[in-house]
Amino acid sequence: GAVVSQHPSRVICKSGTSVKIECRSLDFQATTMFWYRQFPKQSLMLMATSNEGSKATYEQGVEKDKFLINHASLTLSTLTVTSAHPEDSSFYICSARDLTSNQPQHFGDGTRLSIL
Amino acid sequence: EDQVTQSPEALRLQEGESSSLNCSYTVSGLRGLFWYRQDPGKGPEFLFTLYSAGEEKEKERLKATLTKKESFLHITAPKPEDSATYLCAVNRNDYQLIWGAGTKLIIKP
Repeated sequence: GAVVSQHPSRVICKSGTSVKIECRSLDFQATTMFWYRQFPKQSLMLMATSNEGSKATYEQGVEKDKFLINHASLTLSTLTVTSAHPEDSSFYICSARDLTSNQPQHFGDGTRLSIL
Repeated sequence: EDQVTQSPEALRLQEGESSSLNCSYTVSGLRGLFWYRQDPGKGPEFLFTLYSAGEEKEKERLKATLTKKESFLHITAPKPEDSATYLCAVNRNDYQLIWGAGTKLIIKP
């Protein structure tokens, strides 16, 4: 089945650091990628949607200057959490979809971000 | 307003005890209902897509069904390895999904 690779799986860093998370689709072209945030025992919260070569569309309440998204190719999207603070600690998950093939979203294994 | 509600929030079963999980939805123009399985500390794993009322899909001990208002995920003779959180989602449009809060399924040996 379709594989989405997310890296790193876990990050621990100091407050004020910027952290970059990569999301790669390994065996299909991801025309659209999604970034989610998940709090303990809660469902997925969509942060933003990005189409290859376009600016990301952010959900209401998500700061675009705080969470920088780049989707420069059909296989790679990155999320950069800028000047991270403890309240940014969370589980971040990416997913990818090829809209041209009507396939469902496939997810990476997530990144556990801990800001000290 | 588009909405997805899953019940129960948590379900504990003995190994071999069959049951069903529910996903109720309200959406203007269903373009697909999806079931995913999520293990702790992992991303969701795709299980099924259903598009029209009456449609059914099966995979091992799981069977998903769809009506105009809800979907059921039936689990037959579950095993401990079926323990996970099961998520339901419907298409908001061509790009985004509306997610339910999930049902945490625990199968005791």
